[in-house]
Amino acid sequence: KAGVTQTPRYLIKTRGQQVTLSCSPISGHRSVSWYQQTPGQGLQFLFEYFSETQRNKGNFPGRFSGRQFSNSRSEMNVSTLELGDSALYLCASTADRVYGYTFGSGTRLTVV
Amino acid sequence: GESVGLHLPTLSVQEGDNSIINCAYSNSASDYFIWYKQESGKGPQFIIDIRSNMDKRQGQRVTVLLNKTVKHLSLQIAATQPGDSAVYFCAERATGNQFYFGTGTSLTVIP
Repeated sequence: KAGVTQTPRYLIKTRGQQVTLSCSPISGHRSVSWYQQTPGQGLQFLFEYFSETQRNKGNFPGRFSGRQFSNSRSEMNVSTLELGDSALYLCASTADRVYGYTFGSGTRLTVV
Repeated sequence: GESVGLHLPTLSVQEGDNSIINCAYSNSASDYFIWYKQESGKGPQFIIDIRSNMDKRQGQRVTVLLNKTVKHLSLQIAATQPGDSAVYFCAERATGNQFYFGTGTSLTVIP
């Protein structure tokens, strides 16, 4: 059974640009969550999608957005990138939104 | 908001010794807790979980202890091996099925 797949693995962008990250959950998982991981802040919750609807949202500015498609694949977008957006972005999926999530390997975003 | 904290940011142990990683959580209503292991270049991997109606759960070489009175969670790794070197996170499930993670403890196993 394939795990959670995130693409791309690495990305370098310039301040002011925008970026789109992709996540394919485990087959059958309808819930996808996104997290930002930085050395100083640890894992910070961005948002969760379930059956194409945003269920929860963390405390991030509106520059961070996401969506989920009918096949449960999800994308997150960050517009007007700032240096502080440099982080590892992790996607996690779950079947039932109750127990633990399975994480992907993440996308390492560097903003220069 | 919720907060999950770790007592020590780094821990070094000798190979073969037991490791104990601690975690404090803030929401007494959190009903489910997970320990994750994150190796370099990888996403967090599930290790073991525990529900709030339990105070101890054992897995293979790992034990999680939950003390709800002081809102404390610990992960014990028996006979620590070099492959156990990683960052360990605890997570609590709070209201709305949202998980909150600590910043992590970096475990280094000395051969």
